[in-house]
Amino acid sequence: EVQLVESGGGLVQPGGSLRLSCAASGFTFSSYEMNWVRQAPGKGLEWVSYISSSGSTIYYADSVKGRFTISRDNAKNSLYLQMNSLRAEDTAVYYCAREAFMGLGFDYWGQGTLVTVSS
Amino acid sequence: IQLTQSPSFLSASVGDRVTITCRASQGISSYLAWYQQKPGKAPKLLIYAASTLQSGVPSRFSGSGSGTEFTLTISSLQPEDFATYYCQQLNSFLFTFGPGTKVDIK
Repeated sequence: EVQLVESGGGLVQPGGSLRLSCAASGFTFSSYEMNWVRQAPGKGLEWVSYISSSGSTIYYADSVKGRFTISRDNAKNSLYLQMNSLRAEDTAVYYCAREAFMGLGFDYWGQGTLVTVSS
Repeated sequence: IQLTQSPSFLSASVGDRVTITCRASQGISSYLAWYQQKPGKAPKLLIYAASTLQSGVPSRFSGSGSGTEFTLTISSLQPEDFATYYCQQLNSFLFTFGPGTKVDIK
């Protein structure tokens, strides 16, 4: 069974940092592209970042570029999101999501982890 | 690439046929997916490549379109279908989502 489990969310002050993790199981993690998607309270979905299966290709939404860093460790079946210089508007539930195959949608999602940026 | 959805909200009854439209600001071929999200839950992939039903999704869901205009149709709305629906373009990185359409009970 495919499982994605996020962790690392919590309350952080503006300007602070947080590292999210996503533990993958039930599939060959190293063969799949992965993404982070977030959802602010009561709002819609916002794609945050993409990483290719090898980690060699990475993209970010303009809203997080220069502040967030996506990475993966295929030996540990894990995806990460390092979030620096956090702002109130980064408050959201963060989901990791597996991309089925290029351009075919996100077929598995984690349960999400809540990040709250507030003083 | 920007996506718009219409309507943003619709009220419908069990058994109704429901159609949601997603429009892209530029052509995206068939690189469009549809998701269903229920409160407090992660989104669920319904349709990919504009018209291909994801495994396990009921056949009352269907998708169509290409280029800039796409539709998601629920042929006969069931109680478990009341949710918010999002389209997503995957033609170019920066995988934008539409703003969502909430389907509520009339």
